[in-house]
Amino acid sequence: DAGVTQSPTHLIKTRGQQVTLRCSPKSGHDTVSWYQQALGQGPQFIFQYYEEEERQRGNFPDRFSGHQFPNYSSELNVNALLLGDSALYLCASSWPSGSRTEQFFGPGTRLTVL
Amino acid sequence: DAKTTQPNSMESNEEEPVHLPCNHSTISGTDYIHWYRQLPSQGPEYVIHGLTSNVNNRMASLAIAEDRKSSTLILHRATLRDAAVYYCILRNNFGNEKLTFGTGTRLTIIP
Repeated sequence: DAGVTQSPTHLIKTRGQQVTLRCSPKSGHDTVSWYQQALGQGPQFIFQYYEEEERQRGNFPDRFSGHQFPNYSSELNVNALLLGDSALYLCASSWPSGSRTEQFFGPGTRLTVL
Repeated sequence: DAKTTQPNSMESNEEEPVHLPCNHSTISGTDYIHWYRQLPSQGPEYVIHGLTSNVNNRMASLAIAEDRKSSTLILHRATLRDAAVYYCILRNNFGNEKLTFGTGTRLTIIP
């Protein structure tokens, strides 16, 4: 089992550009959540996808959008990048509900905005 | 979201037990107490969770106060590989609720 995988590992963009980050969930999982982790801070929840729909959303602007595909993989898109968007972006997958609700995290994508 | 309070940092000697405290005085009756840890250059990983009773698994033990306003994560015999940031999180287990991370406790293991 490969676990949660994310691509790319690192990314450098300039202000105003757009970026797409990708996540493949752990085998058997169908729910994907995205988190942003600034340096020295804990991860902050962006949104969660289940059955190809956004189910929960954190306090992030509309510049942050996402998508989930029929194979449960997911993308995070960020438009009009700001310097403050520089962070580690983490993807987590899980079962949809019930007692087995632990989330499994990928290694993250390090985004640097110049 | 109910909040948790943890010390910013702790140190422990290798091969000794470690007790990581967490205060959550505003916990609600349906909140579970979850612990995750984040090793250097990795994403967080699940450690343990509980509701009212103490819990044990292969990684750690979770001791929950009778009034549930505090809890303690216990690593029985710390190794260098346990050096990480440990997060105590309150989470409603109905559905697949988001994880609300604080800044956690940075645990340093002294060889």
